[in-house]
Amino acid sequence: GQNIDQPTEMTATEGAIVQINCTYQTSGFNGLFWYQQHAGEAPTFLSYNVLDGLEEKGRFSSFLSRSKGYSYLLLKELQMKDSASYLCAVRGETGGSYIPTFGRGTSLIVHP
Amino acid sequence: DSGVTQTPKHLITATGQRVTLRCSPRSGDLSVYWYQQSLDQGLQFLIQYYNGEERAKGNILERFSAQQFPDLHSELNLSSLELGDSALYFCASSPLPVFLDNEQFFGPGTRLTVL
Repeated sequence: GQNIDQPTEMTATEGAIVQINCTYQTSGFNGLFWYQQHAGEAPTFLSYNVLDGLEEKGRFSSFLSRSKGYSYLLLKELQMKDSASYLCAVRGETGGSYIPTFGRGTSLIVHP
Repeated sequence: DSGVTQTPKHLITATGQRVTLRCSPRSGDLSVYWYQQSLDQGLQFLIQYYNGEERAKGNILERFSAQQFPDLHSELNLSSLELGDSALYFCASSPLPVFLDNEQFFGPGTRLTVL
C-alpha cells in the first residue's frame, strides 16, 4: 500500500517563506505531485517531481529525495491568497496499475 | 478555468437512489480520472480511463461504476446510495496514460448530498 504524511496545519506571515514537508511510503514510485486547493474549489496543479532534486516554478519550488521518501514544497514571498490546503500526492504501483494516492493536505494560513 | 467540465454542480438525493455524474475532459485529453473527496477521507482516487479503456482502479466501491465513451466524456454511476457517499466528486483529465502523465487538470466537481 501507500502512505503519505504531511502536517495538518501551518501558519506563516505575509512576505515570508514556508516549507511544507511530505513523507511517503510506496512501492513502484512513479512520481510525486503537489496541488493547491482553496476551500470548496478544485485542486490546481503546482509541481511534479520524478527525479531527485529541486524543481522551481516562480514563487514555488518542490524538492524530492526518493531514497528518503521525502519531499517538500517551498513557497516564497507569501501572499494572503496563498492561504489554502496543499496536497502531496504520490503515484505508485499497486496490483499492476499506477495509482495516485493523496495526503490529507496541509492547511496553510497566511496572516498579515 | 481548467477546461474540464462536470455536471451537475450540485445533486441532492435520497438513500437507496442511483445518480450519474458526467465529465467532459479538456479538448485532446485522453485520460479521465475520478476522485471522491470527503471531510473524513480526504481526496481518494476511484478509477481512471484512457481512450475508452479502464487503466487503473482505486478504492472504488462495487456500487459505483464508470465508463468513458467514444467522444471521451465519462460518466460515474453511483447506486444504492448511502449517507456516507455524500462528498465532492472530482473528475480530472490529462493527455497521457496514468504512468506517464505529469499534470492533471481538475474539473469544478459535483457536490453530492445523500439525505
